[in-house]
Amino acid sequence: NAGVTQTPKFQVLKTGQSMTLQCAQDMNHNSMYWYRQDPGMGLRLIYYSASEGTTDKGEVPNGYNVSRLNKREFSLRLESAAPSQTSVYFCASYPSSGPRGYTFGSGTRLTVV
Amino acid sequence: SQKIEQNSEALNIQEGKTATLTCNYTNYSPAYLQWYRQDPGRGPVFLLLIRENEKEKRKERLKVTFDTTLKQSLFHITASQPADSATYLCALTNSGYSTLTFGKGTMLLVSP
Repeated sequence: NAGVTQTPKFQVLKTGQSMTLQCAQDMNHNSMYWYRQDPGMGLRLIYYSASEGTTDKGEVPNGYNVSRLNKREFSLRLESAAPSQTSVYFCASYPSSGPRGYTFGSGTRLTVV
Repeated sequence: SQKIEQNSEALNIQEGKTATLTCNYTNYSPAYLQWYRQDPGRGPVFLLLIRENEKEKRKERLKVTFDTTLKQSLFHITASQPADSATYLCALTNSGYSTLTFGKGTMLLVSP
């Protein structure tokens, strides 16, 4: 099915470990986004990439890095995981011709112990 | 500071009634406003978009209104069904920006 694919779906990390969350879209969208969702906080933007080759910080970028590998793929890296990064992470994409809605992936549930 | 406010309390209604959800915002000049549906354990799904110069938008049983004077959007689901039970998110894009900012969402529970 066309859409946004995120891997893994679940992950448990120990404090200080690193990991990369993967996101790929097959809709030829230009823009891609990483959000985190916490109870009572809603969705908050971590980083985004308006087009291939560009990345920008969102509302809560500290502790994260991103890579726009190509037009399809946008990864989120936690270099040294902290318990405060326990959250559900969503990747989304958006076409250049708009305005339209975002297409979201199904999320990665990350627990840092 | 910029705020997007949705009712944090769940809205409980009976099947067949019209559900009305509210989204209020402050310190935004939104180019357009969007509504999403989110089911537990799933990503948000786009429902409707309304531009700043539009007052109302409809799609099947859904209707969105946008009042830039009141800084408010209302989201209506007519003839609600138990399958409409979900959390509904409001989101804004400011003029000149390409990112969406989301409200915290309102849970809707439709009982048979």
